[in-house]
Amino acid sequence: EPEVTQTPSHQVTQMGQEVILRCVPISNHLYFYWYRQILGQKVEFLVSFYNNEISEKSEIFDDQFSVERPDGSNFTLKIRSTKLEDSAMYFCASWGQGSSTDTQYFGPGTRLTVL
Amino acid sequence: GEDVEQSLFLSVREGDSSVINCTYTDSSSTYLYWYKQEPGAGLQLLTYIFSNMDMKQDQRLTVLLNKKDKHLSLRIADTQTGDSAIYFCAESSYNTDKLIFGTGTRLQVFP
Repeated sequence: EPEVTQTPSHQVTQMGQEVILRCVPISNHLYFYWYRQILGQKVEFLVSFYNNEISEKSEIFDDQFSVERPDGSNFTLKIRSTKLEDSAMYFCASWGQGSSTDTQYFGPGTRLTVL
Repeated sequence: GEDVEQSLFLSVREGDSSVINCTYTDSSSTYLYWYKQEPGAGLQLLTYIFSNMDMKQDQRLTVLLNKKDKHLSLRIADTQTGDSAIYFCAESSYNTDKLIFGTGTRLQVFP
């Protein structure tokens, strides 16, 4: 069964550093998403991406965040200057229009720890 | 804004049924979902229901939707130790495809 993959599984960084979280969505999917889950809290929507542009973003997704689909397979989330409060599990998801299941498929997540 | 709430914890004996409840506020919800998260793993879709349905059954899983009360439940029949996980309710509405998640319910199954 096709699945969404994410790398790395765990990233540790110093405050102020840039990080790039990588995702490989399911190959025929067209819609891509990032969510995050701070430890013990809800899973929160960050951004959705379609046709090479952001289609929706939350208040959390400020100028420090950016997304990119640099080639036909990867979808990345960049945090320019990490803060302590960016420590969370980051989930990538993808969805294919016209798929038999009308929902998003999630990757296993990247745990980001900012020191 | 939209909100989804769940009870935090449920403990059941192996073989019994589990019922996990969820309430939501968005009256324009189109789809409601149940996801399962095992320790260290991602979010696995278990089942979903369209908002014009009252019930959906899928093997051991039964989803009940009371749209008037904005209440969703997930019943797991013959609960097994492998069902121990966190269960998230989520909803999406017609004008957006973002998912709004609940707090998650930690299900613990004991022998």
